[in-house]
Amino acid sequence: NFMLTQPHSVSESPGKTVTISCTGSSGSIASNYVQWYQQRPGSAPTTVIYEDTLRPSGVPDRFSGSIDSSSNSASLTISGLKTEDEADYYCQSYDSSNHVVFGGGTKLTVL
Amino acid sequence: QVQLQESGPGLVKPSETLSLTCTVSGGSVSSGSYYWSWIRQPPGKGLEWIGYVYSSGSTNYNSALKSRVTISVDASKKQFSLKLSSVTAADTAVYYCARDSLAYFDYWGQGTLVTVSS
Repeated sequence: NFMLTQPHSVSESPGKTVTISCTGSSGSIASNYVQWYQQRPGSAPTTVIYEDTLRPSGVPDRFSGSIDSSSNSASLTISGLKTEDEADYYCQSYDSSNHVVFGGGTKLTVL
Repeated sequence: QVQLQESGPGLVKPSETLSLTCTVSGGSVSSGSYYWSWIRQPPGKGLEWIGYVYSSGSTNYNSALKSRVTISVDASKKQFSLKLSSVTAADTAVYYCARDSLAYFDYWGQGTLVTVSS
């Protein structure tokens, strides 16, 4: 089964830059688009990146996405960290049957 | 503005069937190219995709849940529904309905907690 693996947690200081990785278990992660969702406690997720690198309207350009085929991974980078960025982040893609697959989630602490 | 709202029992007994409905306002479940989806999140854990129904009625389910899941759409009521049979405590979770725009999940319900307990 296709899986996406994320670090359990990351932390960084306000104003700094943090990168969260999402590694595919098999095949090429570049074969299907990767999305990133932000989830604050008690709230539904919201999209911060879709189709690997695109931002929905309203998402600041401090959020960026990328794909690295050599490591079969996708990355979410948040620059100029703010305390409001503290949340759980999930990557999402598809398997060969077009089933949605989520990564396990990464807790971002901004301290 | 599209809005989604889940409804259904918050407590289900083990071995029974969990039934939830998602009501869509500000849009139609029968038009456009959208996958109307269910996603769940056990307390303190990550997101798990359950499956979707397309506006045509075709479905696609998580392989791990496929034998127990039915998702259907009722365009006249602007609703789509989830049925999960033979539930156990492992099915306790916040259940979200969401619209998949074929690019990303662009609208989500607020989520509803369903507890499986006798």
